[in-house]
Amino acid sequence: AQSVAQPEDQVNVAEGNPLTVKCTYSVSGNPYLFWYVQYPNRGLQFLLKYITGDNLVKGSYGFEAEFNKSQTSFHLKKPSALVSDSALYFCAVRDRAGGSYIPTFGRGTSLIVHP
Amino acid sequence: GAVVSQHPSRVICKSGTSVKIECRSLDFQATTMFWYRQFPKQSLMLMATSNEGSKATYEQGVEKDKFLINHASLTLSTLTVTSAHPEDSSFYICSAPAGVTEAFFGQGTRLTVV
Repeated sequence: AQSVAQPEDQVNVAEGNPLTVKCTYSVSGNPYLFWYVQYPNRGLQFLLKYITGDNLVKGSYGFEAEFNKSQTSFHLKKPSALVSDSALYFCAVRDRAGGSYIPTFGRGTSLIVHP
Repeated sequence: GAVVSQHPSRVICKSGTSVKIECRSLDFQATTMFWYRQFPKQSLMLMATSNEGSKATYEQGVEKDKFLINHASLTLSTLTVTSAHPEDSSFYICSAPAGVTEAFFGQGTRLTVV
């Protein structure tokens, strides 16, 4: 079984400040991990993924995420937030050991960046 | 990169009518597509997996006769909401895997049943 937890419904940050959106996961084997962003009334856009290798993954729009196996976490970060980063962010996991292509999504975290 | 096109982006229909939503993979072949439903401020709920040339696999609790899925070609899957009711109003998103680790999403369809 695979699951994802995004403990925060909403994250508020001032423009220019660093941001973190939290994600923890649970899989029986090793994970594939993903972050997606969703703007209002739009589909999901891929930000970044962790497959293997370097624990620090860099993605689109200046976002990065760090895979921490011991803490089973994959927090999304950005050094300096922009107002345009305000959106809904989803973490997703897929167990490498499973035969399914279907990821499990977290419930989403609404990021609000204040001017 | 790979693109999944979903149409229409918005649709308003009368209660009792049927609505068809299309999902196309534009530059790759998708033998499998996923259909999700998203409620306001909630995560994506997987409704069904469509398989090209065979029957769709529905998740528990999803009515097969209500949500008809057809995957007639390697680039097109359709979701038809039959005899729509206001409680079917939602945001529907399709997704197609491309390779072992990639998944591409359509733009979503906002369905409003009045």
